[in-house]
This record gives sequence, structure tokens and C-alpha cells, in this order.
Amino acid sequence: QKEVEQNSGPLSVPEGAIASLNCTYSDRVSQSFFWYRQYSGKSPELIMSIYSNGDKEDGRFTAQLNKASQYVSLLIRDSQPSDSATYLCAVNDRESSGDKLTFGTGTRLAVRP
Amino acid sequence: EPEVTQTPSHQVTQMGQEVILRCVPISNHLYFYWYRQILGQKVEFLVSFYNNEISEKSEIFDDQFSVERPDGSNFTLKIRSTKLEDSAMYFCASRTPQTGGALYFGSGTRLTVV
Repeated sequence: QKEVEQNSGPLSVPEGAIASLNCTYSDRVSQSFFWYRQYSGKSPELIMSIYSNGDKEDGRFTAQLNKASQYVSLLIRDSQPSDSATYLCAVNDRESSGDKLTFGTGTRLAVRP
Repeated sequence: EPEVTQTPSHQVTQMGQEVILRCVPISNHLYFYWYRQILGQKVEFLVSFYNNEISEKSEIFDDQFSVERPDGSNFTLKIRSTKLEDSAMYFCASRTPQTGGALYFGSGTRLTVV
């Protein structure tokens, strides 16, 4: 059973701060990693993808991947109240014939004005 | 921007009734998925579909579930005899090889079984 682990939170940060969200995964051969944002009652929305070790930046978001440690993180700089949501880590299943993604339970982020 | 569309947005059904959830994936996408999310729980894989056949299904996807792509645009999930525990948000998703494995989700159907 492939596992993706996240701290459920809530992670509370003040407006303008850096929010750091973490995820570990059990499948050593996973190659593709994704962060989705999910507002309450809404569907997951893709915000970042990362495939190789190191950092990948996109605007205020930075994804970090360390395959040796089986660890992926998301940094949100200059956090805004509109960033308050649940952030889902998703990992591809290389043994999956359908190339499905396995999701973590998500970390709830609350940005205080 | 192209998007995955799902209908209806909310469906209430009586236990034992059949429901069909409908999805129109993004037009040039080739791989289609159904996921579900029970309130307060994780997004769970149900089934993947490619080249007009199921490529993988989870343990949740038992004989009560079926999927179909009846024409070139629609992708449906049928639950033959609904149970209370089928109450959840059901999300359709699609992708192409060009998305790098990323799935694009529809807005979901909230299914309530009473």
C-alpha cells in the first residue's frame, strides 16, 4: 500500500509570513510529485509539479524535492488570507497501470490577517 | 482555459437507487479518472480509463460501480444500487501525456444517499 503522509494541521501563519508544508511518501520509485490546493467544498486545483531533486519556483510558491529522503515540501512566501485552504500532496504510482496519483490527507493552512 | 465539467453538482438519492454521474473531460485529454472524497477524508482513487477500457480500479470500485464513455466527449460513473456509505464528493479528472502526470479535476458532484 503506497502511502503519502502529511500533517493535517491546522498550520496557522500571519499574513506576509512564509508557510512551509511537508509531505513524505513511501514509494521509493515515484517520479512525479504534485501539490494541489483545495478550498472547502471545492475540487483540487493543481498549483505545482516537481520531478527532479531540488527546488522549483513559481511566483510565491516553491516546491522542494528530496528523493533520497522521500520528502517533498511546498513553501508559500508572503502568505495571504486567500491562501487559506487545504494543501494536498500527490505522488504518482509507478506500478499503477492507470498511472494514478495517490493523495495525502492534506494540511489545512490558515493565514491570519 | 479548458476545464473538466461535471453534472450534476449535487445529487440526492434514496438508498438502493441507481445514479449516473456525468463528466466531460478536457477535449484533447486521453486518460480519465474518477476519485471520491468522503467528508473530512482524503481524495481516493476509484478507477482509471484509457482507450475505451478500464486500466485500473481500486478495491472500492466493486460490482456496483461501472464507467462508460458513451460518445467522444462524455465519461460517466454509474452506481447501480447506492448505499449510505457512497455519500461523498465524486471528482472526475483527466490528463494527457503532455501534462506530466498531473490530473485536472472537475468541480465535483456531491452525492447524498438518504
